[in-house]
Order: sequence, then structure tokens, then C-alpha cells
Amino acid sequence: NAGVMQNPRHLVRRRGQEARLRCSPMKGHSHVYWYRQLPEEGLKFMVYLQKENIIDESGMPKERFSAEFPKEGPSILRIQQVVRGDSAAYFCASSPEATGALRAQYFGPGTRLLVL
Amino acid sequence: AQTVTQSQPEMSVQEAETVTLSCTYDTSESNYYLFWYKQPPSRQMILVIRQEAYKQQNATENRFSVNFQKAAKSFSLKISDSQLGDTAMYFCAFMIQGGSEKLVFGKGTKLTVNP
Repeated sequence: NAGVMQNPRHLVRRRGQEARLRCSPMKGHSHVYWYRQLPEEGLKFMVYLQKENIIDESGMPKERFSAEFPKEGPSILRIQQVVRGDSAAYFCASSPEATGALRAQYFGPGTRLLVL
Repeated sequence: AQTVTQSQPEMSVQEAETVTLSCTYDTSESNYYLFWYKQPPSRQMILVIRQEAYKQQNATENRFSVNFQKAAKSFSLKISDSQLGDTAMYFCAFMIQGGSEKLVFGKGTKLTVNP
């Protein structure tokens, strides 16, 4: 069973460009979470999605950032007009459907975004 | 708001010895989950161990065990018979049960296992 997949693993963008990060959850997982890790920091929650729905986006900046998890295909985290402060590692995690029980989150390898 | 504190930025241990990493958290919730994740140099986040707050018994996974003290809001990780492959950043994390399922992470402890 393949794990959570993220691509690209490394992404370089110039200020003002768009960054598009992709996440394919583990097979059978319908919950996706995005986290950001700044250098020397722990991971910070950004957004939680189920298929076609945003459940919690309380950690996502109000401007320039958006996320989706369509019925078909991977989840996408989009950052428009990137700035140097967006340079970070972006991790995706997925979890299975499990009502009334703990849904452990399994992480992908991350996408390292560098904004020049 | 929930916070997770890891007071040891760096630690080291000799191979085959035992080391304990500290974690404290702050919450007004009574039902929650606690986790330890490992991030080796590859930067992949790997789930090491998890604990449900309603369970009094401490979780164990092979060489990894926790000391969960709910009243003290403490959740330390003990690694026995340390191996070189245990060298990594270790993050303590918290999740409210029945909430939005977001993990709240501490800043991490960098563990180095020396030969």
C-alpha cells in the first residue's frame, strides 16, 4: 500500500509566481491535512479537507493561499504571488474514515518550497 | 488555545543506552490524543507512538514507551536500547478528540545517538 505522495519534492519559485503543491493520500483515505514547517520550527496546521469540502481552514493565511481536494485527483495547495516568507516545507497528511475512533495521520515526504 | 512545549532543544545519548524526551501541554479539554512523531534527516514525518487521554495505561511500541501524567499534563517519550537510526528530530503533538483533528506540534527535540 503506497504511502502519502507529494510532488514536487522541491520547488523553486521567484517572487510573484504561483506555487502549486500536490498531495495524493493513501489508498482508502478520504481526509487530507496540510501543514507548514518553517526552518527550526514544528509543523503548523493550515487546512483540513475531505473530498470536495474544506472542514477547517483556520490555519491558512486569508490571502494568496487556497486548497482543494476534488472528487477525482490529488489535493492541491496553491500559493499565489509567492513571497520569500513562504519558503518552507509543506507537508500533507491523510487519514482513513473511522467514526468514533482516533484517526491517525500519516504524512507524506513534504514539498520544500524556496522563493528567490 | 492548546500549546505543546518541548523544553529540550537538543539531546544526545550513547548507543544502547536509554533516553527520555520531555513534553508538556496545556489544554482545558478532557478528551484528547497525544503523539510522538520522528523526523529523520530525510525530513519524512513518522508516527512513533500515540496515546488516548482516557487510557491510564502508558502506550508502548517496541523500544518506545511513554510516561503519560494527565494531571501534570506531561507526556514524555522513553527510547530504550538507543540505535544510530534513532537520530532525528522528535515532535510531540496534541489533538482534541472530536474536534477539527488538527495536530498541534511542539518545536521539537533534536536527538543524536552517538556510537
